[in-house]
Amino acid sequence: EAGVTQFPSHSVIEKGQTVTLRCDPISGHDNLYWYRRVMGKEIKFLLHFVKESKQDESGMPNNRFLAERTGGTYSTLKVQPAELEDSGVYFCASSRTGIHEQYFGPGTRLTVT
Amino acid sequence: AQKITQTQPGMFVQEKEAVTLDCTYDTSDPSYGLFWYKQPSSGEMIFLIYQGSYDQQNATEGRYSLNFQKARKSANLVISASQLGDSAMYFCAMRESRGSNYKLTFGKGTLLTVNP
Repeated sequence: EAGVTQFPSHSVIEKGQTVTLRCDPISGHDNLYWYRRVMGKEIKFLLHFVKESKQDESGMPNNRFLAERTGGTYSTLKVQPAELEDSGVYFCASSRTGIHEQYFGPGTRLTVT
Repeated sequence: AQKITQTQPGMFVQEKEAVTLDCTYDTSDPSYGLFWYKQPSSGEMIFLIYQGSYDQQNATEGRYSLNFQKARKSANLVISASQLGDSAMYFCAMRESRGSNYKLTFGKGTLLTVNP
């Protein structure tokens, strides 16, 4: 069984540009989560999809962030326009409904210059 | 308010010895789950162990065990017989069970270094 995959692994963009991160969850996992770790801080929850529906987006920092999960499969997280404080590692995780474990992807390291 | 506290930014242990990584938590929810994840230098987050708040026994998974002390709100990770490959960042996390809320709250992590 393939794990959670994320693309790209690393992205360097200039302030004001747009970046789209992609996450492919484990097949059959209805739950998909986005988390972010900013340098020196805790890993913070961004949002949670159940299939294609946003279950909880309370952690999204502002309206420059847009997450989608069309068809309930892969998800994208777009940052537009990117700011310096958006730099960090963005993790995606997935889980089966009713199962405790969340399986994480390797993360996308975003650097905004 | 900080809900997960890991007071050890870094820990050192000799190979083959046991090490305890501390984690305390705060919640008013009677139903919750506690997790430990390992993040090696390669960056991926690896699930290690889970403890439910109503579980009577401490969770164990191979060389990992979770020392769950509910009254003290602590969920320390014990790694027995440390190996060089255990060198990594370790994160404690909590999930409060409110409806279908599955989000995890993480601590800042502890960087474990295993010395040969």
